[in-house]
Amino acid sequence: DAMVIQNPRYQVTQFGKPVTLSCSQTLNHNVMYWYQQKSSQAPKLLFHYYDKDFNNEADTPDNFQSRRPNTSFCFLDIRSPGLGDAAMYLCATSRVAQGGEKLFFGSGTQLSVL
Amino acid sequence: ELKVEQNPLFLSMQEGKNYTIYCNYSTTSDRLYWYRQDPGKSLESLFVLLSNGAVKQEGRLMASLDTKARLSTLHITAAVHDLSATYFCAVLPVDRGSTLGRLYFGRGTQLTVWP
Repeated sequence: DAMVIQNPRYQVTQFGKPVTLSCSQTLNHNVMYWYQQKSSQAPKLLFHYYDKDFNNEADTPDNFQSRRPNTSFCFLDIRSPGLGDAAMYLCATSRVAQGGEKLFFGSGTQLSVL
Repeated sequence: ELKVEQNPLFLSMQEGKNYTIYCNYSTTSDRLYWYRQDPGKSLESLFVLLSNGAVKQEGRLMASLDTKARLSTLHITAAVHDLSATYFCAVLPVDRGSTLGRLYFGRGTQLTVWP
């Protein structure tokens, strides 16, 4: 059973046209993350939510925003996608616990920008 | 700048052979993760190593952690074709205020196992 669900699996948008990617989880984890992974590169953390507390990475462009309306859902908004934003976007969750956090990743959304 | 370096980046090996992938990191950390990624797919957690000297094994894969050397290894024993994938190590630094999930990934090792 899928625990971290991302929709859509593939997303095509036009240069400059806003796009929203969605993530939902059935694990009731309090932390949700968005990672960006460009082709043949390592995943890079964009931001994360600890409950409702939003934490942005210092080098995440302003073009990227996120919303978390409730525990189960988290959205990634790209206000004006550029060609360089084409990538796989991975949502992940974790439960804060002693002994190390294990991240559960969704299947990802592959974003193409035309 | 925190660095996580994997080597080799590309590995082509014959079925039945053994090999080791290395992961060096530049920060203080006692938490090291290994993930597997198949082409076009998401990341699958393989191992979570939480202390110096930790060793974990699953099937033909064995991971270890030496926090003093800032080194983790992923050893492959008697490789089979199904192990073909990209393997990432990721480090959770301990010297940052809020380190929740702020994993720093290596570039990945693309493994191809051929008959």
